Amino acid sequence: AQTVTQSQPEMSVQEAETVTLSCTYDTSESDYYLFWYKQPPSRQMILVIRQEAYKQQNATENRFSVNFQKAAKSFSLKISDSQLGDAAMYFCAYRRNTDKLIFGTGTRLQVFP
Amino acid sequence: SAVISQKPSRDICQRGTSLTIQCQVDSQVTMMFWYRQQPGQSLTLIATANQGSEATYESGFVIDKFPISRPNLTFSTLTVSNMSPEDSSIYLCSVEPPARNTEAFFGQGTRLTVV
Repeated sequence: AQTVTQSQPEMSVQEAETVTLSCTYDTSESDYYLFWYKQPPSRQMILVIRQEAYKQQNATENRFSVNFQKAAKSFSLKISDSQLGDAAMYFCAYRRNTDKLIFGTGTRLQVFP
Repeated sequence: SAVISQKPSRDICQRGTSLTIQCQVDSQVTMMFWYRQQPGQSLTLIATANQGSEATYESGFVIDKFPISRPNLTFSTLTVSNMSPEDSSIYLCSVEPPARNTEAFFGQGTRLTVV
């Protein structure tokens, strides 16, 4: 069965600095999708970034980028120029084709001024 | 994209009662998903609701406890039945457009407290 592991329950970063959140997953599939979701205190789950496993190029969305290492089954999220509004729970998620999303346990990110 | 309206946003209920959560989507979608997020935990899929068929429940969740309706392609309800304090959680509905790699859209969540 597929699993997603986030080994950092909490992380903190100072405003304007860079932080990296870790995620590893276990799968025997070669075609799948990976996502990072953000959940602020409002509870709304917001997609931060997604990566297709067949793409070698790492996805980037403005200040957010990933380091996708398919052989190592690693999918880390880098947040550059951190802002106070980045403070939230971050969930890594995996999906094979149109199967259900499998979420990691989450990392709480605190941003200090 | 899809905009999802979920109601109620929060509720405090007495044990033994039931609560029905509604999820309305602004476009037609085939599959809708219901998740539970226990305090400080990740999201766990309760069931998948397809229009016109019975919902498919994940291991550990049963229809008698979490009956789901899906009367059309834009609406679904989840009922939490015979509630106990252990049911205190956030419940979220989600839709995933048919394309393989597009994002899942989530409702705002319902924070349920059972006393």
